[in-house]
Amino acid sequence: GENVEQHPSTLSVQEGDSAVIKCTYSDSASNYFPWYKQELGKGPQLIIDIRSNVGEKKDQRIAVTLNKTAKHFSLHITETQPEDSAVYFCAASKDTDKLIFGTGTRLQVFP
Amino acid sequence: KAGVTQTPRYLIKTRGQQVTLSCSPISGHRSVSWYQQTPGQGLQFLFEYFSETQRNKGNFPGRFSGRQFSNSRSEMNVSTLELGDSALYLCASSLVFLNTGELFFGEGSRLTVL
Repeated sequence: GENVEQHPSTLSVQEGDSAVIKCTYSDSASNYFPWYKQELGKGPQLIIDIRSNVGEKKDQRIAVTLNKTAKHFSLHITETQPEDSAVYFCAASKDTDKLIFGTGTRLQVFP
Repeated sequence: KAGVTQTPRYLIKTRGQQVTLSCSPISGHRSVSWYQQTPGQGLQFLFEYFSETQRNKGNFPGRFSGRQFSNSRSEMNVSTLELGDSALYLCASSLVFLNTGELFFGEGSRLTVL
């Protein structure tokens, strides 16, 4: 079955710096790759997603890139702010199959 | 528009007992999925229901079960609780099938098994 690996498990950056979180997936048929942000005491919330027919997608300070050949995708956050501090999860799925999540990255942005 | 509501938010049980968790999806959402969240394991998929039918199931033992009612509300049940079942159980709803749209998560039910 599908397996999603996520790195790093923790990431500390200075406010204003960039943060990059990487994920790899095992099933080459996967075609949907969302990223979720979970703040303390809350459920995860979708921040950006990408489908396999697109190589890159941006939304303000957030971008996601997808390399289908290497089977990995990454989340890029530029100009980080303290409110970006949270746990980030990547996920992958194919067609109408279940969504498989990575193990999460705890991002801390220091002022 | 009300979000996904999960009850209870916190509960403590002892080994061997059973527990039922409830999830009310966003109005109009027909798909409900359940996840178990533990430190270091991330979000583990339990099952997904759509129009009262289980469409997908994760790799959990038969002690974990669920159902969905005609109003799309869902319940999950864990029987014969074990210490390792202590976790945050998250419910998510979506308009259609799992990977065709955004999942909206509730705040979870935190289960502690003593």
